[in-house]
Amino acid sequence: SQQGEEDPQALSIQEGENATMNCSYKTSINNLQWYRQNSGRGLVHLILIRSNEREKHSGRLRVTLDTSKKSSSLLITASRAADTASYFCATEKVGGTSYGKLTFGQGTILTVHP
Amino acid sequence: EAGVAQSPRYKIIEKRQSVAFWCNPISGHATLYWYQQILGQGPKLLIQFQNNGVVDDSQLPKDRFSAERLKGVDSTLKIQPAKLEDSAVYLCASSLDEVQPQHFGDGTRLSIL
Repeated sequence: SQQGEEDPQALSIQEGENATMNCSYKTSINNLQWYRQNSGRGLVHLILIRSNEREKHSGRLRVTLDTSKKSSSLLITASRAADTASYFCATEKVGGTSYGKLTFGQGTILTVHP
Repeated sequence: EAGVAQSPRYKIIEKRQSVAFWCNPISGHATLYWYQQILGQGPKLLIQFQNNGVVDDSQLPKDRFSAERLKGVDSTLKIQPAKLEDSAVYLCASSLDEVQPQHFGDGTRLSIL
């Protein structure tokens, strides 16, 4: 079953604008990760945020995590045409044999127009 | 470093036939994963290996799917017999260990006629 749900399903912006994607999940997590997938390719890991962290930055990416609301957001600043891709959040649940076991959301399709 | 290698890139078969996919993870990566990604959805974990042992195969349809990782390196995923609903991209990923980020191959796109 899909643990995370991304919102919006699709996002279309102009180059230079910021893009924000949201992810909600249902159960307690060890960490939440964001991945990017270009058309016809595998997923690329972007950033990992642990359950005891609230915000993390990596280059033009900013991720926030609110465990009380079971939600996360990914902000891409000053977007480029090369950022066009699908973005997925993935959660590692607490407990059992869950280490490394990720549950992915449905993804947000981001299109950045030149 | 070389990435995760998968073959073939594309496969077309008829329902009830058999098919096998191969994955070569990044050298030194102990953990290997197989995912199924249906069009328009996120990847779904089928099986997770730690070295050559199975950690999780709770979502693997064991009546038709099988996977092995001999000597804790390469892995194969087999479907026998295939059903129409198995049409998907099969992704392999590896990581240094269970708590490290996963590196994905480009997948095998399977079409069932």
